[in-house]
Amino acid sequence: SQTIHQWPATLVQPVGSPLSLECTVEGTSNPNLYWYRQAAGRGLQLLFYSVGIGQISSEVPQNLSASRPQDRQFILSSKKLLLSDSGFYLCACTLGQGRRTEAFFGQGTRLTVV
Amino acid sequence: SQQGEEDPQALSIQEGENATMNCSYKTSINNLQWYRQNSGRGLVHLILIRSNEREKHSGRLRVTLDTSKKSSSLLITASRAADTASYFCATGMIYNQGGKLIFGQGTELSVKP
Repeated sequence: SQTIHQWPATLVQPVGSPLSLECTVEGTSNPNLYWYRQAAGRGLQLLFYSVGIGQISSEVPQNLSASRPQDRQFILSSKKLLLSDSGFYLCACTLGQGRRTEAFFGQGTRLTVV
Repeated sequence: SQQGEEDPQALSIQEGENATMNCSYKTSINNLQWYRQNSGRGLVHLILIRSNEREKHSGRLRVTLDTSKKSSSLLITASRAADTASYFCATGMIYNQGGKLIFGQGTELSVKP
């Protein structure tokens, strides 16, 4: 079965600093990959999703970017963090189009921008 | 914008009671899924119902789907304190949008012993 590795678990960064969150997937190939952000007590906001290497769809224009350099690696980045970037970031994967579509989630990264 | 909207936002019940959560969505879907999230953790998949299904069971979970009303419900029977968590619906739009999975705002369930 699929396993999502996401790190770090918690991160405190100053405003204006760069960000790099990494997510890797084991147990499947050619997954769809997702980055979500969750504000405290709120639902999940889809930030980016990818159906293949180098293919990134952005859902919300903001201070973040995503890249998929390898099939099972998904990276969320920022050049300069804002206070509003604070939140709980979750990486997820589903199997490719036409197959079972339940999502598997990593354990999340709690980002606090100070 | 969010596709799924759960109702109620928060639900508090006693152990042994049933809990019902509802989800409404806006566009055509391929499937609808329910997930559970314990505080500060990732989401765990509970059950998936396809657009051509009307009802599905898994243990103490029962999910219904009404595509004409664009709504779904999740019923947890004989609730336990361990069921305390947030529950989210998610709509899968596989064929139209390359696998995009959109989540609602969630229902926070509290089961008191």
